[in-house]
Formats: sequence, structure tokens, C-alpha cells
Amino acid sequence: DTAVSQTPKYLVTQMGNDKSIKCEQNLGHDTMYWYKQDSKKFLKIMFSYNNKELIINETVPNRFSPKSPDKAHLNLHINSLELGDSAVYFCASSESPGESQETQYFGPGTRLLVL
Amino acid sequence: GEDVEQSLFLSVREGDSSVINCTYTDSSSTYLYWYKQEPGAGLQLLTYIFSNMDMKQDQRLTVLLNKKDKHLSLRIADTQTGDSAIYFCAETPFDGGFKTIFGAGTRLFVKA
Repeated sequence: DTAVSQTPKYLVTQMGNDKSIKCEQNLGHDTMYWYKQDSKKFLKIMFSYNNKELIINETVPNRFSPKSPDKAHLNLHINSLELGDSAVYFCASSESPGESQETQYFGPGTRLLVL
Repeated sequence: GEDVEQSLFLSVREGDSSVINCTYTDSSSTYLYWYKQEPGAGLQLLTYIFSNMDMKQDQRLTVLLNKKDKHLSLRIADTQTGDSAIYFCAETPFDGGFKTIFGAGTRLFVKA
């Protein structure tokens, strides 16, 4: 049983295109996250949703728009893709934000390459 | 501000102990974590420690927390080639706005 799943696993696309990455968790968690991991493996949080509400919105270009149709899903839509968007994008989930121990469960990652 | 720092590389021989170190800046951190990332995979929680603890042991893993120096370490006993991975230190500040802050990761290479 996959706890946090992401699709697609690999995404190769041209500059200027619009693409979406989907994430689903079957853990019953309230909170979901999107992280970007660059080529040097630095992991930076982009967004977090708690019960479909945005609670973390780091400084990312507004070409990136998260959407949470329900608390089990958090999708990431990227408009007008740029070369610098090439990275691995990780989705994660946790039970609740800021309370007690907050283990995050990560998806396998989506490797985005913009040509 | 919040910051988590780790050395980038560590190389050990199979069977030796590995010690991965981390320093953090936010003294209000409630929980501190170690995550492991194997090649091509997502991060997986290895262990965590609550800020009122000094030490936690879990099989081959020992976590030491020095709250005064804001220093966290992960010791892996009898390191195996399968332990080769990137190890991320992370903290959840008490007033971090629900954020978990990750270090840059330490790449552990285990030589047979």
C-alpha cells in the first residue's frame, strides 16, 4: 500500500509549457506539503495545506499554484515552465501541523526536466 | 532566523561507526529529526528526538542532543553498504509557522 504517491514520476517538457504534478495520500493526514529539491539536494518547502487551506506559502514564483480538492490530494500546477524549474518535487504529508511530533511522510518524488 | 547546518560528506569503512553531525539555530525547536534519502527515492524518517531528551537509541542508531550547544548527532553502529544515502537533519521550531526546516543533507559513503 503506497502511503504518499505522486504522478508522474518523470516529466520532461519544453520551456514555456504548463504542467501539473499530482499527489495523493491514503494516511488520513490533515496536512500536505510540496518541497523542491535542487541538483545539490537542497530541500526547500514551497507550500503546505491543512484541511484544504493554505498555511505555508514560501516565496515561490506565482507561476506555481497548488490546489487541494480534498485533504487527501494536493496538486501542483506550474505555468510557463522555465529551465530553473528543473528539480525533483516531493510531496509529503503529516498528521497535523505544529502539534507534537510531526513526522512527515514523503512521496517518491517527481523528476522534472525542462528543456 | 531558522537554520540547520550539516557537513556535506562522510566516508566510512563497512563495519565502522558513522557519526553525522548537525547544528541548528532555533532553541525553541520541539522535535528534531533524522531522515534518510536513498538514491532516486523520497525521504524516509529514521528517528526523532524530543527536545527534553538527551539521547535516544534505536537498534544501530543513537541520537544525541546537546541543547545548550544546539547540536544533534546521529551515530550508526556497524555501518553497512546499505546505509549509503543522504541523511537530513530537520527541526520543527515551536513558533515556526508549521514549518519543518531541513539541513542540506550529509552524503554518507560506505566503503566495502
